Amino acid sequence: GAVVSQHPSRVICKSGTSVKIECRSLDFQATTMFWYRQFPKQSLMLMATSNEGSKATYEQGVEKDKFLINHASLTLSTLTVTSAHPEDSSFYICSASDITGGRSPLHFGNGTRLTVT
Amino acid sequence: DAKTTQPTSMDCAEGRAANLPCNHSTISGNEYVYWYRQIHSQGPQYIIHGLKNNETNEMASLIITEDRKSSTLILPHATLRDTAVYYCIVSFNKLVFGAGTILRVKS
Repeated sequence: GAVVSQHPSRVICKSGTSVKIECRSLDFQATTMFWYRQFPKQSLMLMATSNEGSKATYEQGVEKDKFLINHASLTLSTLTVTSAHPEDSSFYICSASDITGGRSPLHFGNGTRLTVT
Repeated sequence: DAKTTQPTSMDCAEGRAANLPCNHSTISGNEYVYWYRQIHSQGPQYIIHGLKNNETNEMASLIITEDRKSSTLILPHATLRDTAVYYCIVSFNKLVFGAGTILRVKS
């Protein structure tokens, strides 16, 4: 089945630094990837839609200059949390849709737990 | 995307069928019903999806009412490993998650 890989699975960084999270579709091509954030005991919140070769579309209230998204190829999207602060500590999850389209389901990565100290 | 309503939590005995309801009365004609589940500290796992016909796969069955305003996910023989948060999502493209149903399977 379709596999989405995220790296790293856990990261701890100091306040003020930037952190990059990678999301790869391993056995399929994805023109669209989605980035979510999840705080403890809450549901997933959609942050942005990442489109290959074009600018990402951000959901309302998500700062595009803080959460930089790059989708340079059909198998890789990256999320960079810039100038991270403790309130950015969260579980970040990506998902990808197969390029063949239709209504094939999204496949999710196993998430990246970010802790900002 | 249409909004969904699910019970906050449910309990199910191990080995019995788990029936998880979902209301989506404002669903549009081109929106699919998707079910995902999330086990603690993992990414969501796809279970099943459908448009208007009932669907079955190796994990579960999805029953969609004729008017498409509600659906039920059926896990035929629940095991302890099925304990998770189950999300019912109605969508044409991007997936927007609600609060889901916490299913606890008990021995």
